[in-house]
Amino acid sequence: NAGVTQTPKFQVLKTGQSMTLQCAQDMNHNSMYWYRQDPGMGLRLIYYSASEGTTDKGEVPNGYNVSRLNKREFSLRLESAAPSQTSVYFCASSELLVPNYGYTFGSGTRLTVV
Amino acid sequence: AQSVTQPDIHITVSEGASLELRCNYSYGATPYLFWYVQSPGQGLQLLLKYFSGDTLVQGIKGFEAEFKRSQSSFNLRKPSVHWSDAAEYFCAVNMNAGGTSYGKLTFGQGTILTVHP
Repeated sequence: NAGVTQTPKFQVLKTGQSMTLQCAQDMNHNSMYWYRQDPGMGLRLIYYSASEGTTDKGEVPNGYNVSRLNKREFSLRLESAAPSQTSVYFCASSELLVPNYGYTFGSGTRLTVV
Repeated sequence: AQSVTQPDIHITVSEGASLELRCNYSYGATPYLFWYVQSPGQGLQLLLKYFSGDTLVQGIKGFEAEFKRSQSSFNLRKPSVHWSDAAEYFCAVNMNAGGTSYGKLTFGQGTILTVHP
């Protein structure tokens, strides 16, 4: 099925460990995004990539890095995990222009940092 | 700064009752507006969206939303709620409406809907 695939679905890290969250889309979308979801705070943008070859910071980028590997893939890296990064992470992709503009979300990665 | 507010954190309704979820935004111009639904443990699914034109938009699963410019609101409604509608609902806006944008969405805090039989 066409869509956005995230791996892994669940992960437990120890403080200070690193890991990379993977995201791939097969809809030929130009733009991709990483959000984190915390209770009562909605979704907050971490980083985004408007098109292949570009990345920009969002609202909460500290402690994260991203790579737009190609048009399909957009990874999120935690270099030194902290308990404050315990969250559910969502990747999304979209076309930019109306009327096709609108996000398609992955199913999320639930990350716990202990 | 742009913001999106969903005033109700949690709403409980009886099955068959009508539903209205509120969403307000702060922005000078008309943004692009969206409602998403999230079932437990799942990603977000698009219910409906508004870009321009008719201010009453129809979505999937029997939902509709009305854009009111004077009130900076985009409230979600359903005439008769089903038990399967229990989920969390998010309003989202793109404040960079018009022309090519970078597509960033700003989300509200979410409203959890509980449906009683």
